[in-house]
This record gives sequence, C-alpha cells and structure tokens, in this order.
Amino acid sequence: GEDVEQSLFLSVREGDSSVINCTYTDSSSTYLYWYKQEPGAGLQLLTYIFSNMDMKQDQRLTVLLNKKDKHLSLRIADTQTGDSAIYFCAETETYGGATNKLIFGTGTLLAVQP
Amino acid sequence: ETGVTQTPRHLVMGMTNKKSLKCEQHLGHNAMYWYKQSAKKPLELMFVYNFKEQTENNSVPSRFSPECPNSSHLFLHLHTLQPEDSALYLCASSRTGGTEAFFGQGTRLTVV
Repeated sequence: GEDVEQSLFLSVREGDSSVINCTYTDSSSTYLYWYKQEPGAGLQLLTYIFSNMDMKQDQRLTVLLNKKDKHLSLRIADTQTGDSAIYFCAETETYGGATNKLIFGTGTLLAVQP
Repeated sequence: ETGVTQTPRHLVMGMTNKKSLKCEQHLGHNAMYWYKQSAKKPLELMFVYNFKEQTENNSVPSRFSPECPNSSHLFLHLHTLQPEDSALYLCASSRTGGTEAFFGQGTRLTVV
C-alpha cells in the first residue's frame, strides 16, 4: 500500500531556515500536501503542490517536489518560535468525482529555539 | 477558524458507555471524513462520506458507527470502546474531487 515517511524531529534556531523532508511510495499521487498541527489543535493546511510541478512558493514557505525520487520538502524561511509544531506530509490520488483520501506521514516535530 | 467544528473537544468515557462525536461544516462541501490520530502512528482514515453516502470504511471495528444525515453534519457513534481506542478523532471536509481538505480541531477521547 501507499507509504509516506518523515523524520521525527528537527530543531532549528529562530531566524534560520528549516527544511522538513518527506518521501512517498505511490507514484500515482496527484497532490502532495503539508499540514501543520499545533499542540491541542487540529490540522491546518499550509500548502499543496500538484504532481506536475516541481516548486511552489508561498511567502516564507517553499515546497520542492522531486517526482523521480518521490521526495517532497518544505522549507520555512526565517523560522519563528510560532512555527514550532508538528508538520505532516500527505498525499492523495484524486480522480474525477472522487473524494480526497489523504495518506499521512507520521509527522515531523519542529522545535524552534529562541 | 477553519469552518469545521467538532464537539465535544474532550471526552472521557467508560468501556460500557455510549457516546457520540459531532462534526459540522459550513463550507458547502459534499465530502466528509473521520480520521483517527493515535500517539506515534500516522493519521488513519476511518470513514468517508460523499453526498451523504458512505464510500469508504477502512476496516473500522463495528463499535464505531458513523452517521451522515446531510452534507453538513457527520457523527461518530461510540459504544463498548476499548482503552486502545483512546485517541484524537479528527473530522475533515472537502469539495467532491477537490484538492483541499479542511480539518476540525478534533475530539480528544479517553476510554477508561
């Protein structure tokens, strides 16, 4: 079945860039997502990328997709203490009329040191 | 505020109790989902509803019984749960065939 893997923990200093990595196995993935979960909260959609793109930038966030290696990364520029959270990579195969079934990784805990 | 509201936020129940989790969305979506988030495990998709019809049951035990009376509301009825069912239960919604799923804050369930 599909599998999505992430490293469990990343620690950075405030003001540095953070890079969170993800690998997936499903070559038919259509969309790939990054969600953020703060303590005691639900999941917040940060950004997503369509599988025919290799990069997407949204303010401080940059998503890079290497479809050949099935590798997705999220770069957060100028990381702030408010960015401390768990970041989930997810993928889905969406086809006409179907629902959006997400397959999630285990999440990466980002700790930002002041 | 994501437009998906779950109640209650926290629930403690005994193994012989019956309780229900509620999810409501005001985003005009037609697909709704239940996910389970256990410690140290990836989020697991439990059920999917599309236009009120169940389209996915991911081998969930029958002690979890979903109900979708309309496209805006989703329930998860719980009975005779086990301690290992303690988890964060997350509801999500999306447009049918849409690219984005929006999540509620979740219900933290503890079974004692």
